[in-house]
Amino acid sequence: AQSVAQPEDQVNVAEGNPLTVKCTYSVSGNPYLFWYVQYPNRGLQFLLKYITGDNLVKGSYGFEAEFNKSQTSFHLKKPSALVSDSALYFCAVRDGSGGSYIPTFGRGTSLIVHP
Amino acid sequence: SQTIHQWPATLVQPVGSPLSLECTVEGTSNPNLYWYRQAAGRGLQLLFYSVGIGQISSEVPQNLSASRPQDRQFILSSKKLLLSDSGFYLCAWSVSGDYEQYFGPGTRLTVT
Repeated sequence: AQSVAQPEDQVNVAEGNPLTVKCTYSVSGNPYLFWYVQYPNRGLQFLLKYITGDNLVKGSYGFEAEFNKSQTSFHLKKPSALVSDSALYFCAVRDGSGGSYIPTFGRGTSLIVHP
Repeated sequence: SQTIHQWPATLVQPVGSPLSLECTVEGTSNPNLYWYRQAAGRGLQLLFYSVGIGQISSEVPQNLSASRPQDRQFILSSKKLLLSDSGFYLCAWSVSGDYEQYFGPGTRLTVT
C-alpha cells in the first residue's frame, strides 16, 4: 500500500521569503515521488520528481525538493517566493519496486504568497 | 512535443442527461491514459485508467464509464448524470515505463 500526506491545508508566506510545502509518504518499496502545481481552473503541471540519485531535486520555476528517506519526507522548497507562485500544490508517490504504476496523490496544499 | 486536449472546457447538464467528455493526446504513441475527478474539496479521485486500446480499468464503481477507441483517444461517458457527478474532470497521460503524468486543461461539469 502507498499513501501520502500533506499536513498543511494552506501555507502563507510573504513575497521574497523562502517557502516550504510539506509532504510525507508511506510506500512498501522504493518511493518515486512527484510534485505538481495547479493554478485555478487549470490542469496539474508537473514540477519535479525523485526517482533515484541526489536527494536534492531541482525542478521548474526555481522549485526544489529534498528527499529524506529516514523521515519519509519530500518537502517542496523555493528560496524566494513570488506572488505568482500562489497556487495549489500536490505531492504524489508511487511504489517503484514493480508495483502499480498508479500514483497516490495528497490532498493538496494551497500556497498563498502575499505582496 | 506532446500535447493533451480536453473538451468541452465547461459543461452544464441536467440530471438524467447523458455525458461524453473527450481527451486526445498528440505527439506520443501508446500512452497510459487516466481520468480523474476533482471535487470542490480539492482531492484527486482516479476514475479510470487505460494501458492500451480497449483496455480500461475502473477504480471506483459509479455510473460513469470510459472507452479508448483509438490509441490516443480517451472518452468518459455516462448514460444518466447525477448531481454528485458535478466536478472538475481531468485527463492525464504518461509514457509507459516512465513516471510523471501530464494533465489536460480539464472540463468543469455542473449537473443541475
